[in-house]
Amino acid sequence: DAGVTQSPTHLIKTRGQHVTLRCSPISGHKSVSWYQQVLGQGPQFIFQYYEKEERGRGNFPDRFSARQFPNYSSELNVNALLLGDSALYLCASSLEVSGAYEQYFGPGTRLTVT
Amino acid sequence: AQKVTQAQTEISVVEKEDVTLDCVYETRDTTYYLFWYKQPPSGELVFLIRRNSFDEQNEISGRYSWNFQKSTSSFNFTITASQVVDSAVYFCALSEARREYGNKLVFGAGTILRVKS
Repeated sequence: DAGVTQSPTHLIKTRGQHVTLRCSPISGHKSVSWYQQVLGQGPQFIFQYYEKEERGRGNFPDRFSARQFPNYSSELNVNALLLGDSALYLCASSLEVSGAYEQYFGPGTRLTVT
Repeated sequence: AQKVTQAQTEISVVEKEDVTLDCVYETRDTTYYLFWYKQPPSGELVFLIRRNSFDEQNEISGRYSWNFQKSTSSFNFTITASQVVDSAVYFCALSEARREYGNKLVFGAGTILRVKS
């Protein structure tokens, strides 16, 4: 079975631009979460969506937004990019939103803001 | 608030040595879940284990074993007879159990494990 897929793999943007990252969950998984991992740190939670509804939001500015589609895939949007947004963006999927269900991660999108 | 602390920033061992990665957590919940993930140089986080707060039995899977001690809020991970392929960053993480809050993971800062041949 295919795992979590993310696109693009790498991305270079300029300050002030906008970026859209995409994620397809494991088949049958209804929940998608987004994490930001800055170099040398652990991943930080950004959003979780379940059945197209936002179920959680981390401590990130309103420049960050996301949505989930009827097929459970998801997009993460970041507006007005800052240098500090440079990071590995990880998408994770799980069957349900209870902590009893492990999250499986995709390979990530490495975003560089210059 | 939830917090996970991995005090060991980096560990270097020689192949075949045993190594233990420490994890200490903080939570006010009585029901919670603990996880370990491996992040090889490729970057993808690989799920290793989930443990719920009601199950304090130690678990062994091949060369991997986990020691969960609620009394000390610790969930340590031991690799026996380490191999070069074990070189990676290892993350400990914590999740609440309540469905209405989702299952966001709170990660520690990670421990870099280097296994030399």
